[in-house]
Amino acid sequence: QLQLQESGPGLVKPSEPLSLSCTVSGGSIASSTSYWGWIRQPPGKGLTWIGTIHYTGSNFNNASLQSRLTISVDTSKNQFSLTLTSVTAADTAVYFCVRANYYITYGQPTYGLDVWGQGTTVTVSS
Amino acid sequence: EIVLTQSPGTLSLSPGERATLSCRTSQTTDFNYVAWYQQKPGQAPRLLIYGASSRATGVPDRFSGSGSGTDFTLTISRLEPEDFAVYYCQHFSSSSWTFGQGTKVEIE
Repeated sequence: QLQLQESGPGLVKPSEPLSLSCTVSGGSIASSTSYWGWIRQPPGKGLTWIGTIHYTGSNFNNASLQSRLTISVDTSKNQFSLTLTSVTAADTAVYFCVRANYYITYGQPTYGLDVWGQGTTVTVSS
Repeated sequence: EIVLTQSPGTLSLSPGERATLSCRTSQTTDFNYVAWYQQKPGQAPRLLIYGASSRATGVPDRFSGSGSGTDFTLTISRLEPEDFAVYYCQHFSSSSWTFGQGTKVEIE
């Protein structure tokens, strides 16, 4: 059974970088049909997509975070990572890593975020 | 970029009642790229529906999804106590993923 586990510091100072990793267990990150992503949820608010990566390194990010965001993949460690620079209090959130699984419905491809990490709380504060 | 608008913001119902949740997209979208999730307090979201109408593994058949174009619906035929939660719709494209703002289903 595939599982995801986020890791990283729970407290980051303003203006410093936030770095998180997600370790994939029970399966390989090197799946041609899966994508891997980061989602965050500020306290009491909804879900916001951060960015997505394929094991080949192909990725796409939320345009509003693009200038501060790097998402990378390390197939040797079965991990993918997020770095967000110049953080502010607005980046305080629970950060989830996810797998986008590939399905076929009515003969057409689609995706669903079927595996989620438990989430890690990151607080930006001095 | 596509925007997803969910309504209502909060739905107050009793166990056994039918819940109808709406998700409207700002542009016509292929129904295949709409998914629904359930989130309970302190937990990660759970995939309920993908491709607008296909139930994920282990999801009870009281949950159903439908829709096309710009209007999508999640229906819970008879609410069970464990169904009171927040529900999110999501859209996938080749360059972005987008979530609606969520609908809270609460006990009346």
